[in-house]
Amino acid sequence: NAGVTQTPKFQVLKTGQSMTLQCAQDMNHEYMSWYRQDPGMGLRLIHYSVGAGITDQGEVPNGYNVSRSTTEDFPLRLLSAAPSQTSVYFCASSPTGHNTDTQYFGPGTRLTVL
Amino acid sequence: TQLLEQSPQFLSIQEGENLTVYCNSSSVFSSLQWYRQEPGEGPVLLVTVVTGGEVKKLKRLTFQFGDARKDSSLHITAAQPGDTGLYLCAGADLREDQRDPYIQGAQKLVFGQGTRLTINP
Repeated sequence: NAGVTQTPKFQVLKTGQSMTLQCAQDMNHEYMSWYRQDPGMGLRLIHYSVGAGITDQGEVPNGYNVSRSTTEDFPLRLLSAAPSQTSVYFCASSPTGHNTDTQYFGPGTRLTVL
Repeated sequence: TQLLEQSPQFLSIQEGENLTVYCNSSSVFSSLQWYRQEPGEGPVLLVTVVTGGEVKKLKRLTFQFGDARKDSSLHITAAQPGDTGLYLCAGADLREDQRDPYIQGAQKLVFGQGTRLTINP
């Protein structure tokens, strides 16, 4: 089991460029989510999915799009990158998304927008 | 938006000392989790508390959920250098405003800012 994998590990973008952060899990988890982590602010939920074809917005969804076509993959798209999106991005998964589930986090993607 | 306030944000103590980290909110959470994060890695779950007043122990770490399920604490006894790291609390917020039953019951975590703990040998 690889667990939760994220690619790339580091990325530098120019303002206005687009990109997709990849996230995959091999644990057959129904629930997947994306967080961003900024200094002094903990982790903030961007989007989450309770299963293939079902997604919802989190606390800070603006500027990000997601889709969930398979159970394994949950990509995060930045359509037009802005310096305010410079952050470390974490993908996580859990079996069902129940409030007592263990969430398994990936190693993160460090994104810099110039 | 629900908020979780952690204190202190930074703590540096000597090996062998005891310490307590607090996680407070004005909102009620259905459950609360504590994570530990190492540099360059994602958070790793330490414990989940669900019932008001619940106490869980993990070796030298004791976790407590407040009676009203609005706050929690993490107490470390006889801290060791291996305890160094970023400790995060996270409250689960059930989406009662959602009509879709799948989304309504889905875990939506609200994280505190974190406590960066350094244990000096």
